[in-house]
Amino acid sequence: DTAVSQTPKYLVTQMGNDKSIKCEQNLGHDTMYWYKQDSKKFLKIMFSYNNKELIINETVPNRFSPKSPDKAHLNLHINSLELGDSAVYFCASTRTNTGELFFGEGSRLTVL
Amino acid sequence: KQEVTQIPAALSVPEGENLVLNCSFTDSAIYNLQWFRQDPGKGLTSLLLIQSSQREQTSGRLNASLDKSSGRSTLYIAASQPGDSATYLCAVDDYKLSFGAGTTVTVRA
Repeated sequence: DTAVSQTPKYLVTQMGNDKSIKCEQNLGHDTMYWYKQDSKKFLKIMFSYNNKELIINETVPNRFSPKSPDKAHLNLHINSLELGDSAVYFCASTRTNTGELFFGEGSRLTVL
Repeated sequence: KQEVTQIPAALSVPEGENLVLNCSFTDSAIYNLQWFRQDPGKGLTSLLLIQSSQREQTSGRLNASLDKSSGRSTLYIAASQPGDSATYLCAVDDYKLSFGAGTTVTVRA
């Protein structure tokens, strides 16, 4: 029973393309996140949604657009991909005020 | 801006030795601090969550302490095993989670 699932797990694409990563959680959590882990393994928050509302939007290029159709889903769409977008993108979720974060397995994006 | 530092960046110990991993943060106004484990090519697994009002948490061989005033947390792993080899990350929550760069642990059989 996967708690936080992301698809696809691997994504290889050309510069300039548009791609999406999907995330779903079946934990009943109300807050979901997107994190980016770069080649140096440093994790940085990108976005956070609470009950489908955007609450954290870090300094991320406009080419990145998150969408939360419902509390259980948070998708990430990336336009006009650049080489520097290559990274592992992690989705995570939590129940507000509990603090404990649950992560997906990550989606490794490689831009050629 | 919260900054989280983990020292050392890497650690190699023989099996059976106790592990001590350090985490420091610059802003003590936090809600909680969480320790995670990350295996290569995998996501993060939560190990221990310490609320800001707590001083420590324990789970099996793991014990984590929190000294909010000095901006420090320490993760102790007793009697290390090869299966403990992984990268350990700490994260502080001050409305958003800020992560350290992690400590990569290798336990030699």
